[in-house]
Amino acid sequence: EAQVTQNPRYLITVTGKKLTVTCSQNMNHEYMSWYRQDPGLGLRQIYYSMNVEVTDKGDVPEGYKVSRKEKRNFPLILESPSPNQTSLYFCASSLTGTGHSPLHFGNGTRLTVT
Amino acid sequence: AQTVTQSQPEMSVQEAETVTLSCTYDTSESNYYLFWYKQPPSRQMILVIRQEAYKQQNATENRFSVNFQKAAKSFSLKISDSQLGDTAMYFCAFMNTGANSKLTFGKGITLSVRP
Repeated sequence: EAQVTQNPRYLITVTGKKLTVTCSQNMNHEYMSWYRQDPGLGLRQIYYSMNVEVTDKGDVPEGYKVSRKEKRNFPLILESPSPNQTSLYFCASSLTGTGHSPLHFGNGTRLTVT
Repeated sequence: AQTVTQSQPEMSVQEAETVTLSCTYDTSESNYYLFWYKQPPSRQMILVIRQEAYKQQNATENRFSVNFQKAAKSFSLKISDSQLGDTAMYFCAFMNTGANSKLTFGKGITLSVRP
């Protein structure tokens, strides 16, 4: 089944403790992206990747890192999480990175930083 | 930069009735894509309908249709014969035609379908 898989679905951590949220897709998509969803703000893009070893900042990249060493994986790294990073995170992928191919979303990761 | 505005935070509709969700956007681009996404309590982001700006014909998907007014920069979603399973948050989103399929989302509207 074609899908974008995020793990974990829920994560509670403490300020400053490094964490990684994994994202994997099995559709051979070139484009992958991370969004965060906050009440009253909709979803905002954090980082995106057009292909292996090609990443770039989205609208809200501060406090996050990403890597794209393999086509299928695009982990989101929080080196020193802070409470303002408490949010719902979505990974998404598409075939080409243009509007011609639809974005497929993962099921989300609910992160709480205390 | 593009902006997407959903001014109604909540709406309610009786089962089997029709409801329209409003969305306006701002862009200087002439070609782009517009989307409506549904987010049920499961949190999953589900694509409801997609409209390409250069297509004048309004998109339809079963009970879902849009009223796309390019000059007015308006993109409303009509849900006909509302069902209980339509209860969800709905997001309007904009995407330009260049690289980086970044979706710019509105704040969302919570739709409740009453039995």
